[in-house]
Amino acid sequence: EAGVVQSPRYKIIEKKQPVAFWCNPISGHNTLYWYLQNLGQGPELLIRYENEEAVDDSQLPKDRFSAERLKGVDSTLKIQPAELGDSAVYLCASSLGKSPGSTDTQYFGPGTRLTVL
Amino acid sequence: GDSVTQMEGPVTLSEEAFLTINCTYTATGYPSLFWYVQYPGEGLQLLLKATKADDKGSNKGFEATYRKETTSFHLEKGSVQVSDSAVYFCALTPGGSQGNLIFGKGTKLSVKP
Repeated sequence: EAGVVQSPRYKIIEKKQPVAFWCNPISGHNTLYWYLQNLGQGPELLIRYENEEAVDDSQLPKDRFSAERLKGVDSTLKIQPAELGDSAVYLCASSLGKSPGSTDTQYFGPGTRLTVL
Repeated sequence: GDSVTQMEGPVTLSEEAFLTINCTYTATGYPSLFWYVQYPGEGLQLLLKATKADDKGSNKGFEATYRKETTSFHLEKGSVQVSDSAVYFCALTPGGSQGNLIFGKGTKLSVKP
């Protein structure tokens, strides 16, 4: 079974430029998460989707960050414009999401390492 | 709010040594608890989990017991190998929710032959 796929794996941009990250979750997984992982820290949630609906985006900086999951499958996370402090690893995860109240296992992709110069 | 605190690293051990990585949590209700591992160059992988008090999660020789009285979920392994070198993250999901993982800062383990 294919895991969570993310691209690109690495991205280097100059500040004020836009950037986009793509995630394809495990087939059949309804729930998709985007996490931000700063160096030396644990991941922190940016947004969670149940199918195509963003059910928790309280930690997403909406002035510059946006995300979409139009058909409830793959997802794109965008930053425009990027700032120096956005340099981090952006992780995508997915889970089955078919049993409300249960503890789904989240499966993580390899992440996209963003460097903003 | 809910949070996870784990021992700071790095931790350096010799092969076959005993490993303990401490993890304590603060949460309302009854969270589920997890250990994730991140090997060099790879994504986070679930190592083990426990969903209620006194549950013991185990995998690949690693164990952790959900201790509600001490709000702890310490990771242990009796004999580490070089291949266990990785960063280990303790995490929780708040009780009653199918939701977001809250992670500790991670503990880097290096095992020397």
